[in-house]
Parts: sequence; structure tokens; C-alpha cells
Amino acid sequence: GAVVSQHPSWVICKSGTSVKIECRSLDFQATTMFWYRQFPKQSLMLMATSNEGSKATYEQGVEKDKFLINHASLTLSTLTVTSAHPEDSSFYICSAMGARRNQPQHFGDGTRLSIL
Amino acid sequence: AQKITQTQPGMFVQEKEAVTLDCTYDTSDQSYGLFWYKQPSSGEMIFLIYQGSYDEQNATEGRYSLNFQKARKSANLVISASQLGDSAMYFCAMREDTGFQKLVFGTGTRLLVSP
Repeated sequence: GAVVSQHPSWVICKSGTSVKIECRSLDFQATTMFWYRQFPKQSLMLMATSNEGSKATYEQGVEKDKFLINHASLTLSTLTVTSAHPEDSSFYICSAMGARRNQPQHFGDGTRLSIL
Repeated sequence: AQKITQTQPGMFVQEKEAVTLDCTYDTSDQSYGLFWYKQPSSGEMIFLIYQGSYDEQNATEGRYSLNFQKARKSANLVISASQLGDSAMYFCAMREDTGFQKLVFGTGTRLLVSP
């Protein structure tokens, strides 16, 4: 089946640093990728939708300058948490979808981000 | 706006028994898709089953089946012959069939399978 790779799995860093998370579709071309955030014991909250070659569409309340999303190719999207602070600590997970409609989104394994 | 409701925060089932996880939804769209995902404690989201709004038959995938009742706007997941490895969080999600095809998730149900 379709595989999405997300890297890194864990990040621990100091407050004020920027962290980049990569999401790759390994065996299909992902025309659309999604970035979610999940707090402990809560559901997934969509942060933004990115289409290859265009600017990401952010959900209401998500800071565009804080969470930079780049979808430069059909197999790679990146999320950069800029100047991260402890409140940005969370589980971030990406998903990818091909061009065919009505196909399921395939998720990466997620990244646990801890800001000290 | 679309909305997904999972009213069961937690469910217990004995191994080899069947269990039903409830999901109701609200949408004004005529065309939409319903999904169930499993999230083990390790965090990955595992796709289980999909039901399209125009599908006349209930979806089945191995031990998973989706009890789709369109008039009642419900899409319950039935897991037959539960296994210990089924213990996880289960999320129901709905996707709009237009635009970006975003997923809206329910709050999830934690299933615990006991020996």
C-alpha cells in the first residue's frame, strides 16, 4: 500500500530554535499534503493543506509565520516550526493524497516535538 | 460546517468478541466520504475502512465493517473477533468531496481488548 515517511520521529530542542519536519510520499505522487497537530488524548487538528507548487492554505487560528509549509515537489512537504517555544510542543503528523479523488489519506508516523 | 461525533470515550471488549464503535456525522453536502482510522499508542494513523456517501452497500475490510445508515447519518465501525492488538484509539473522519478534500476527525474512542 501507499507509504508516507515522516522524519524525524522525535525532536527535543531548546526554546527559540527552528525545527523542520519532512513528509515524503515514497511510492506515489502526492498532489496534496496535510499537516495536523495532536495534543495528548485529543483528536487531530488540521493545521494546513499544501498543494505542490503553490502556497499552503492554513486553517483559522494557525499562524502562517510560525508554521512554515513548503511543498516543493510531488513527493516532499516540509513543516518548519520557527522560533519554537514550549507551547509548540505537540505531536505533528502529516498525510498525503494522490491526484485520484476519493482515495484515503495516508499518514506518516508522526513527529513528537518537545521544546525545553 | 461538517461535524463528526463519537460519543464513546472508551470501550471494553473481550478477546474474540465483536464490538461496535459509534460515529454520527452532520453535513449539508450530498457527496462525502467516511473513514475510520486506528491509532496505536505509537502514534501512527492506520487507515481501516472507507464508505462513500453514494455507496449502497456497507463497506467491509477483513474483520472491519462499516454500518452505514445514511438517513440517520451514522457510520458505526464493527470489529469482529477482537484481538489484543486491536487495543488502540479509533477515529471516525469525514471528508468533503470538493475542494481540498480535507478530513474532519471525531474525538476518538479508546478500545481496550481484554484476554
